[in-house]
Amino acid sequence: NAGVMQNPRHLVRRRGQEARLRCSPMKGHSHVYWYRQLPEEGLKFMVYLQKENIIDESGMPKERFSAEFPKEGPSILRIQQVVRGDSAAYFCASSPLTGAKNIQYFGAGTRLSVL
Amino acid sequence: GQQVMQIPQYQHVQEGEDFTTYCNSSTTLSNIQWYKQRPGGHPVFLIQLVKSGEVKKQKRLTFQFGEAKKNSSLHITATQTTDVGTYFCAGRLQGGSEKLVFGKGMKLTVNP
Repeated sequence: NAGVMQNPRHLVRRRGQEARLRCSPMKGHSHVYWYRQLPEEGLKFMVYLQKENIIDESGMPKERFSAEFPKEGPSILRIQQVVRGDSAAYFCASSPLTGAKNIQYFGAGTRLSVL
Repeated sequence: GQQVMQIPQYQHVQEGEDFTTYCNSSTTLSNIQWYKQRPGGHPVFLIQLVKSGEVKKQKRLTFQFGEAKKNSSLHITATQTTDVGTYFCAGRLQGGSEKLVFGKGMKLTVNP
């Protein structure tokens, strides 16, 4: 049973370009979470999605950031017109259930560097 | 908003020593989870505590959830070099969203 798969592992973009980060949850998991981690910092919640629905996007910046989890295919975190401050590690996690059974399993992350 | 604080932020111990790290929430939690992240790695789930006053052990690690469900602790006995990494606690609000609120982590280094 493959774990949470994220790609690319490393992504370099120039200021103003778009970044697309992909996350395939573990088999059987229908809940996906995105987090951002700055160096020496904790994980900051960004968005929680189920298939075709955004459940909680309270941690998403209001502009330039969007996320989706289509019926088919991976979840995508999209950052438009990237700026240097977007440089960070972006982790995706998935879980099979909600409530007390909501244990989140993390992918290896995408390290985004904005030049 | 809800905050989860971890103390200390950094912990340096001699191999073989015991130590405890703490996690405090500004609000009551429905449950708390602990994760470990090795340098350059990703968070790996360690344990979940749900009940008030709950204590769980994993080999040399002992996790406790406070009676008021607002704090938690992780105690490591006989620290080994393999324990090196950053330990995060993450709490979920009672009656709230499924999102986890992570503390900033406790970075552990071990002197062999």
